[in-house]
Amino acid sequence: DTEVTQTPKHLVMGMTNKKSLKCEQHMGHRAMYWYKQKAKKPPELMFVYSYEKLSINESVPSRFSPECPNSSLLNLHLHALQPEDSALYLCASSTPPGTSGGSLFTDTQYFGPGTRLTVL
Amino acid sequence: SQQGEEDPQALSIQEGENATMNCSYKTSINNLQWYRQNSGRGLVHLILIRSNEREKHSGRLRVTLDTSKKSSSLLITASRAADTASYFCATENGGFKTIFGAGTRLFVKA
Repeated sequence: DTEVTQTPKHLVMGMTNKKSLKCEQHMGHRAMYWYKQKAKKPPELMFVYSYEKLSINESVPSRFSPECPNSSLLNLHLHALQPEDSALYLCASSTPPGTSGGSLFTDTQYFGPGTRLTVL
Repeated sequence: SQQGEEDPQALSIQEGENATMNCSYKTSINNLQWYRQNSGRGLVHLILIRSNEREKHSGRLRVTLDTSKKSSSLLITASRAADTASYFCATENGGFKTIFGAGTRLFVKA
């Protein structure tokens, strides 16, 4: 199974709402990622978890709060978002560096279909 | 700043023609990957080429890497309408940080 699933597919929320995005994979990958993608732009890295610990936070505002409850799940909790946060949020997973046949480098990332978020 | 820059930004060709997209980057890399994205969907990994490799093939795809020029190209041969998508190069220079280029939007006319 090489699938990464994301729920919901679409989300519309107000600026005072609290919502969560969910991501799940069963490939045994121990690195999981959140990306944000605006229309006609490339994905931008937000967070990386490795072995369920936060490894990278790309200076993302605190209104985005990631959580990795176990090796298969990755959540992104949203609170007090702004309209400019409307975007496609992509989750990805991979083997962490050092575990791909001894490689020190990140292996192929497998992406989910994304959650289309609209903040009103 | 963005690591990978791609050209052209958009490319329109007829079915059966070849499509070539180029990617340039600024710093040293461990590997370079190409991804495809259909409109509003997730990214699909196409091919990974490591810094010590010069060329890789996968089906109708051919990727080259020139580390001296800090550039890569993706060639899609005998294109099909289903190849219509955005194509991104992505570079990785250590750890987890994969940085995507601006992308090339390919339109293949049937």
